[in-house]
Amino acid sequence: AQTVTQSQPEMSVQEAETVTLSCTYDTSENNYYLFWYKQPPSRQMILVIRQEAYKQQNATENRFSVNFQKAAKSFSLKISDSQLGDTAMYFCAFMKHWVPGGSQGNLIFGKGTKLSVKP
Amino acid sequence: DTEVTQTPKHLVMGMTNKKSLKCEQHMGHRAMYWYKQKAKKPPELMFVYSYEKLSINESVPSRFSPECPNSSLLNLHLHALQPEDSALYLCASSQDPGRSRGEKMNTEAFFGQGTRLTVV
Repeated sequence: AQTVTQSQPEMSVQEAETVTLSCTYDTSENNYYLFWYKQPPSRQMILVIRQEAYKQQNATENRFSVNFQKAAKSFSLKISDSQLGDTAMYFCAFMKHWVPGGSQGNLIFGKGTKLSVKP
Repeated sequence: DTEVTQTPKHLVMGMTNKKSLKCEQHMGHRAMYWYKQKAKKPPELMFVYSYEKLSINESVPSRFSPECPNSSLLNLHLHALQPEDSALYLCASSQDPGRSRGEKMNTEAFFGQGTRLTVV
């Protein structure tokens, strides 16, 4: 079974500064995907960034980047130039690779980190 | 169209009622999911459909009954619920990258806005 652990229940950062959210996971799979999702008070779950496990290069999306350490099973999210709109709950998530022509496993979430960006 | 649409957005039902939650996507995704989310908690997986077949049922009580009539629709039928079933119910869908035939496809899950269910 896979598990996802986020060890920081809450974090805060000043506007325009940088913050890093931690995530570790446990799996025996070799092919999988990792995601960071953001859930603002509106409760809409929004994808922030994705990483395929077979890719060594860390994913980046504008102000968001990850530090993916496959051997250490670590997947942290760095938010640069934090903005007030980044205030939300952030979930790290794991998805197994699809079985070709077959079934999909589930998308497993960590417990979340509540991020507050302060003006 | 990159949306997952859930209806209704809000639902209040009595413990003897029968109601259904609906989810629709037109992205050609072949996996669809139901999640239950309580306040300040992560989403908990309930069911996964792959290619319109139920592939995962996470020991959900029988008062929740999923249905996947076709590749675009996912329903959750509710009957004789308890107050502790009050929660946000999220639907999601994802692509099978193995069907991309060489075109790079992403497989992240797209989520609907959820149905906020209150059982009274």
